[in-house]
Amino acid sequence: DAKTTQPNSMESNEEEPVHLPCNHSTISGTDYIHWYRQLPSQGPEYVIHGLTSNVNNRMASLAIAEDRKSSTLILHRATLRDAAVYYCILRDVAQGGSEKLVFGKGTKLTVNP
Amino acid sequence: GAGVSQTPSNKVTEKGKYVELRCDPISGHTALYWYRQSLGQGPEFLIYFQGTGAADDSGLPNDRFFAVRPEGSVSTLKIQRTERGDSAVYLCASSTRYSGANVLTFGAGSRLTVL
Repeated sequence: DAKTTQPNSMESNEEEPVHLPCNHSTISGTDYIHWYRQLPSQGPEYVIHGLTSNVNNRMASLAIAEDRKSSTLILHRATLRDAAVYYCILRDVAQGGSEKLVFGKGTKLTVNP
Repeated sequence: GAGVSQTPSNKVTEKGKYVELRCDPISGHTALYWYRQSLGQGPEFLIYFQGTGAADDSGLPNDRFFAVRPEGSVSTLKIQRTERGDSAVYLCASSTRYSGANVLTFGAGSRLTVL
């Protein structure tokens, strides 16, 4: 699987937007970009995924660079509940490949009140 | 139930003992995954099933680890001759297809402590 690079940690203030970056310069044309997050003492939780176009859902937005070598997860208005480790993962959906997701260390987001 | 259920939530055992960890996936999810997570690390892939068969077991660390899913629903992760290094949180997930990709739903995990 292609590798992703994320900052180890980031801080934000409550009710402000948060932009979490992810670099994936070796991404292939069939790699989907997935984001999961893990709150303290819980299992990871799906946030969003996309292939080429920007994506929005009730939790977040995913902005994908035109060359697909980087992406940004956007939390529009951070709350204390958004404090978590955020994982950016590439998954190749080419036929015949494994469906496993390979997690890195992620970005630990701290939200200040 | 509505989510992925894992039992036990906590297991303390002695070095050399045998351990079984159980996962009840979301009804109708055909794929099931096992991961383990050590403190401060991201989840480490162990194995995933598509139906009853193991589609990818490349993450199992050695032959002391084995997982089954005999009827394509509940899965059991089995660890023989446990070692202190096996201490971790073992996470199970099941998945459904959404917008072109598998989306995983994780359980809360089983915390294994080997003394």
